Amino acid sequence: DSGVTQTPKHLITATGQRVTLRCSPRSGDLSVYWYQQSLDQGLQFLIQYYNGEERAKGNILERFSAQQFPDLHSELNLSSLELGDSALYFCASSVSEINTDTQYFGPGTRLTVL
Amino acid sequence: GQNIDQPTEMTATEGAIVQINCTYQTSGFNGLFWYQQHAGEAPTFLSYNVLDGLEEKGRFSSFLSRSKGYSYLLLKELQMKDSASYLCAVRDQNAGNMLTFGGGTRLMVKP
Repeated sequence: DSGVTQTPKHLITATGQRVTLRCSPRSGDLSVYWYQQSLDQGLQFLIQYYNGEERAKGNILERFSAQQFPDLHSELNLSSLELGDSALYFCASSVSEINTDTQYFGPGTRLTVL
Repeated sequence: GQNIDQPTEMTATEGAIVQINCTYQTSGFNGLFWYQQHAGEAPTFLSYNVLDGLEEKGRFSSFLSRSKGYSYLLLKELQMKDSASYLCAVRDQNAGNMLTFGGGTRLMVKP
């Protein structure tokens, strides 16, 4: 158990819908990262937040957005869902923003878009 | 950009030793990580190398050669539970120190 929690574990929804995935980092960690893992793409970095502020963006679609709240939990919002958005979404956390720390991953949310 | 290559699949026998290679090309190398991931589960941290040489942690060791853009993960005394995917990830300081993951190597351990 990494100490990172994610909810829900599974999510099934239809195309065109919007969902919110939630992540709580390890105690003491200020940085949160979101990743998408699909069968054909491997683990892809989406976005990073540090202490409430966006720090870095990776391959994140405009239909996706995220935020980090004062209590440091983070939410990833996925809208206008498409079949290709079906994937495992992982959240990871690390202590600081300088990105030289080890990232610890949560258990993931499996999103299925029908 | 970055290019990270690992074999897609490997098979080994319980009790044996296996070496999983990773080659990378990056402009601002700032560390290499190995993660283990069982199917449908979270990646779990195994090792970190930023300087050349071998890092040993129990049955697992990781080696780095920065001049060759090469790393390997060595697993000794293989156990059935070691059947998993092994992900190589590189940090690039010219890309905001973000981690870029390779496609992973699926290791199957047979009795």
